[in-house]
Amino acid sequence: AQSVTQPDIHITVSEGASLELRCNYSYGATPYLFWYVQSPGQGLQLLLKYFSGDTLVQGIKGFEAEFKRSQSSFNLRKPSVHWSDAAEYFCAVGVDTGNQFYFGTGTSLTVIP
Amino acid sequence: DAMVIQNPRYQVTQFGKPVTLSCSQTLNHNVMYWYQQKSSQAPKLLFHYYDKDFNNEADTPDNFQSRRPNTSFCFLDIRSPGLGDAAMYLCATSSLGTSGGRKYFGPGTRLTVT
Repeated sequence: AQSVTQPDIHITVSEGASLELRCNYSYGATPYLFWYVQSPGQGLQLLLKYFSGDTLVQGIKGFEAEFKRSQSSFNLRKPSVHWSDAAEYFCAVGVDTGNQFYFGTGTSLTVIP
Repeated sequence: DAMVIQNPRYQVTQFGKPVTLSCSQTLNHNVMYWYQQKSSQAPKLLFHYYDKDFNNEADTPDNFQSRRPNTSFCFLDIRSPGLGDAAMYLCATSSLGTSGGRKYFGPGTRLTVT
C-alpha cells in the first residue's frame, strides 16, 4: 500500500535560516507529489507539485522541492525562512489508479526571531 | 471567482444526532473528496467521487455516508456522531480525472459533538 512519511513532527528554525522538510513515499510507480501549507484555523494551500520532468520544482513563497527517485523522497526547501512561514506543512501523494490522494503526517514549523 | 464552498463553517451537533455537511463547487470538476482532519493530525481521506462513481476508503466507518446528487454538490452524512467524530471536515475537488490534477480545498467545516 502506498504511504507518505514525514519523519519530522516538529521543526524550529531561526528567521533567516534555511529550511528543509523531509518527505518520503512508498509506491510502486512514480506518484504525483505535492506540498501543502496550512496556517492555524485555515485551509490548505498548494505550495508546489511534481508530475514529471525537471526534478527540481519551484513553488510559491520562495519554496522549492526536489524529487529523488532513488530515495523515494520529495523534500521541501527554502533558503531563508520568514516568520510568516510558521505553519503546518503536509506532503501529499496522488495515486493514479483510483484518484486517491493521501497526506503525510505533517511537520509543524516554528520560526523564532 | 470559482471556488469550493463548505457550509456551515462551524457545526455543533449532539451525540448520536445525525448531521449533514455540505460542499459545493463552481469549478465543474468531476472528482470530489471528503477528508477528516483531527487536531494536529493530517487530513485523512474518507471517500471520493469520480463523477457519480463512489469510492470508499477501506477504513472509513459505516457511520459516514456521502451523496453527490449532481456535479456541483456533495454531502457528508454522519448518521450517529460520536465524540470521536469531532474534527475539521475538508472537501476538495480535482481538475482532472487523475490524481495528478490540482486539488482545490474548501475552508472546511469544524464539527463539535456535545
